[in-house]
Order: sequence, then structure tokens, then C-alpha cells
Amino acid sequence: GQNIDQPTEMTATEGAIVQINCTYQTSGFNGLFWYQQHAGEAPTFLSYNVLDGLEEKGRFSSFLSRSKGYSYLLLKELQMKDSASYLCAPRGYNKLIFGAGTRLAVHP
Amino acid sequence: GAGVSQTPSNKVTEKGKYVELRCDPISGHTALYWYRQSLGQGPEFLIYFQGTGAADDSGLPNDRFFAVRPEGSVSTLKIQRTERGDSAVYLCASRLAGLTDTQYFGPGTRLTVL
Repeated sequence: GQNIDQPTEMTATEGAIVQINCTYQTSGFNGLFWYQQHAGEAPTFLSYNVLDGLEEKGRFSSFLSRSKGYSYLLLKELQMKDSASYLCAPRGYNKLIFGAGTRLAVHP
Repeated sequence: GAGVSQTPSNKVTEKGKYVELRCDPISGHTALYWYRQSLGQGPEFLIYFQGTGAADDSGLPNDRFFAVRPEGSVSTLKIQRTERGDSAVYLCASRLAGLTDTQYFGPGTRLTVL
């Protein structure tokens, strides 16, 4: 079967660091994507991991462990504009499998 | 260049009616996806086109849903005999060519079935 598990909601303070975890089980695996989605808008690409380890891109980093079926997204120096949903999406044979997403609220 | 565009942005229809939703992918992108997103949920896969053909339509919920991409560019998602449960945001995404390429999403069409 296919299952994606992320926390439903998280809160954090402006300037802080937050880690959003994702565990997954999919039929076939061809990498894992993280997308950001602001309310009422389309998902926008943040990061992609296909090999184990950490990928860093500015304030955002993403980690993957294929053997554990685990990924996390790390957001540093949080800004108010980072308040959004963050979607973990492993790719199966042809398509992305999305979790329900984690709604992050950043407070002053 | 232009991103993925979708029309209309909003569609309100009555139960039982037929609707068509249009997607214009990024120029040159060979792969096109349709997803459906309900409130508070992540996007749910519906169908994937590689070129003109539907490579995977396993996510279409039933035979009321159909999609075409006749010239390998623009795609239309067609829903017959709409039901209230079809109300959702329908998202289109396109990808360049390789399986590792990123999918870029359009702004979506919000469908409301009364």
C-alpha cells in the first residue's frame, strides 16, 4: 500500500528553526519532493532528494533515508512568509504521492 | 517563460451537469498530470499523460471522469454528470521529460457543484 505520514500542524517563532518530518511507504520509489503551498495557491517546488543524505538550498534543507522511509524538511531563520502548508511527496512509478501536508504557522 | 495556466479559475455548476477544465502546460513539457485537492488534503493523482497518450489513468475515480491531450500540449479534463462530491480544486502540473524532473503546478480550477 501507499502511506504518507506528516504532522498535521506545527507552530514556530520568527527567526527560529523548524523540522518537518515525513515517513512514507510507496509502491516503487524514485525520489522524494517537498512542496510549499500557501492557502489558495498552487504547490511550489522546494526540494528533491533521490539519494540518502542532506540537500541544502538556502534557508531550506531536506534529508532522505531510503532504508527508513523517512525524510525531513528543515527551515532556518523562519520568516512570517513561511507560514504555509508543506507537502511531502515521494514519487512512485509515474506520479507523486502526496501526504495531507503540515500546516506551519510562524508567529512574531 | 510562462508557467502552467488553467482555465477557468473558478467553475460553479449544478449537480448533473457536464464540465470541462483546461490546462496549458509549460511550453516543451512532454509530461502532464491532473490532480484533485480537497480542503485540508494533499493533491490526489488522477491521470498522467506522456505526449498525447494517457500513460497512467489509475487515479480517475470512475467513468464520469475523462481527460484528453490530443496534440501533446493542452489538456482537457472532462467530468460528466457532476456530483456534489466532485467539488474540489483541480490542479494541473507539467514536467519537462525525465522522470527526475520537477513537476510545476498551475493555479488550479476551483470546481463547486451545487
